Amino acid sequence: DSGVTQTPKHLITATGQRVTLRCSPRSGDLSVYWYQQSLDQGLQFLIQYYNGEERAKGNILERFSAQQFPDLHSELNLSSLELGDSALYFCASSPRLAHYEQYFGPGTRLTVT
Amino acid sequence: SQQGEEDPQALSIQEGENATMNCSYKTSINNLQWYRQNSGRGLVHLILIRSNEREKHSGRLRVTLDTSKKSSSLLITASRAADTASYFCAFYNQGGKLIFGQGTELSVKP
Repeated sequence: DSGVTQTPKHLITATGQRVTLRCSPRSGDLSVYWYQQSLDQGLQFLIQYYNGEERAKGNILERFSAQQFPDLHSELNLSSLELGDSALYFCASSPRLAHYEQYFGPGTRLTVT
Repeated sequence: SQQGEEDPQALSIQEGENATMNCSYKTSINNLQWYRQNSGRGLVHLILIRSNEREKHSGRLRVTLDTSKKSSSLLITASRAADTASYFCAFYNQGGKLIFGQGTELSVKP
């Protein structure tokens, strides 16, 4: 158990809908990262927050947004969902800003029908 | 592409044999990391090797790093069926983002 929790484990929703994925980092970790993993794209970095502020952006679509709250948990919001958004979404945390190992949550499997 | 490239894409061996996976990258790095992922599960950090290190051991894992060739290898000795998983190398790019390779799918048959 990495200490990173993610909810829900599974989500099935229809195209055009909006969902929110939640992540709680390891105790004491200030950095939170979001990743998307699909068969065709592999593991793609989406966005990073550090102590409540956005610090780095990857291949995140404009339909997606995230935030990190004062208690350091983070949410990833996915809107106007398309079939191609079906994937595993992982949250990871690390103690500081960069260049350290990351601890991954179990992931949320999103299926868009 | 900034992604690491791993080879082989898939590897099938018998229990007790050694498994070697290779990773190549194109950028300058501070460290290189290896992660394991069991099917559909979260990634688990295995080992981190710094750019000034050439070799590092952790239990049955041995990692080497050759910064002149921009390559790393992960060796799992005396493999077990429980080692069946996908293995990814990862490194931070100059923008501070952790970039993952496409992974090697290891199957260890009992």
